[in-house]
Amino acid sequence: ETGVTQSPTHLIKTRGQQVTLRCSSQSGHNTVSWYQQALGQGPQFIFQYYREEENGRGNFPPRFSGLQFPNYSSELNVNALELDDSALYLCASRSGRDSQGKQYFGPGTRLTVT
Amino acid sequence: RKEVEQDPGPFNVPEGATVAFNCTYSNSASQSFFWYRQDCRKEPKLLMSVYSSGNEDGRFTAQLNRASQYISLLIRDSKLSDSATYLCVVNSNTGNQFYFGTGTSLTVIP
Repeated sequence: ETGVTQSPTHLIKTRGQQVTLRCSSQSGHNTVSWYQQALGQGPQFIFQYYREEENGRGNFPPRFSGLQFPNYSSELNVNALELDDSALYLCASRSGRDSQGKQYFGPGTRLTVT
Repeated sequence: RKEVEQDPGPFNVPEGATVAFNCTYSNSASQSFFWYRQDCRKEPKLLMSVYSSGNEDGRFTAQLNRASQYISLLIRDSKLSDSATYLCVVNSNTGNQFYFGTGTSLTVIP
């Protein structure tokens, strides 16, 4: 086990609703990244937080937003859900801003938008 | 053009076979490279980092060719338990973003 946890494990929402997903990073890790993985695709980078600040963002619209807390846990918020938002949402934690740092994934939250 | 491209496969090989996966990346300034393994409906797990000089971990060998911008993974003596999707991962030149390939599916057949 990586020590990275996510909640909930599964979620069903309807189009237009808002959702909050949560991630607890591995002990000692201050950097958390969020990914969206659609079926049959590799994970797509949403954004990264380092010491409570966003310091990297992928090609996702502003309705995808996040937070990181002083204990380095993190939230991903998605507003105005669309059908295409249905995916596995993964968070990954690592130590420091150093790109050499290996990242460790949580088990993911499977979101279904109907 | 995608940042990272992989042949999605599937690769179906018999036990004991040697199989190789390749991956190309578009940003010549990329700094770090990894192979991850993902089992069905599970999270990706780090298999190994890829170093310029090449590196080996048991039956797994990773190579990096910066001039041609490709990464490879060689699996020798395939086991049934190697069946999974293998994801090639490259970081951005700023170090703040990791790009994943679509993954290559491997099935090892008895």
